[in-house]
Amino acid sequence: KAGVTQTPRYLIKTRGQQVTLSCSPISGHRSVSWYQQTPGQGLQFLFEYFSETQRNKGNFPGRFSGRQFSNSRSEMNVSTLELGDSALYLCASSWDRLALTGELFFGEGSRLTVL
Amino acid sequence: KQEVTQIPAALSVPEGENLVLNCSFTDSAIYNLQWFRQDPGKGLTSLLLIQSSQREQTSGRLNASLDKSSGRSTLYIAASQPGDSATYLCAVNPREGGSEKLVFGKGTKLTVNP
Repeated sequence: KAGVTQTPRYLIKTRGQQVTLSCSPISGHRSVSWYQQTPGQGLQFLFEYFSETQRNKGNFPGRFSGRQFSNSRSEMNVSTLELGDSALYLCASSWDRLALTGELFFGEGSRLTVL
Repeated sequence: KQEVTQIPAALSVPEGENLVLNCSFTDSAIYNLQWFRQDPGKGLTSLLLIQSSQREQTSGRLNASLDKSSGRSTLYIAASQPGDSATYLCAVNPREGGSEKLVFGKGTKLTVNP
């Protein structure tokens, strides 16, 4: 069974550009979450989608957005990139509510560098 | 607002030693607590999950405890090996606002020396 797949694994952008990251969850999982990991702030929750609906959102500016498709694949977009957006972006999937199962499976992440 | 703290931030031990990693959280209203392992440049691997009604979980050489009332959890690693070298992250699933998120500590970077 394939795990959570994130693409691209590495990318370099310049300030002001935008970026789109993709995540394919484990087959059968309908929930996809996104986290940002930086050395200073650690792992922080961005948002969570279930059946194409955003259920939860973290405290990030509107430049950060996401969506989920009918096949559960998800994308996140960051517009007007800033240097501080350099981070490892991690996607995770689960098959049911986190409170019930606690099971969250992470991908290997997309490493974004903003110059 | 839930906050998770992990102490120490880094730990270096000789192979074979037993060790304890600590995690504390500010709000006891949680659904569960989970310990993850992260290797450099990689994603997270779940090690142990403790539901709020449980006191501990064990898997192989790992044992995690949860004291919800005091807001503390420990991860005990027995007979450490160089392959245990990684960053260990503690995360809680808070009952506040929707519950479909984890709140993470900043991790303990463990180095096990041969």
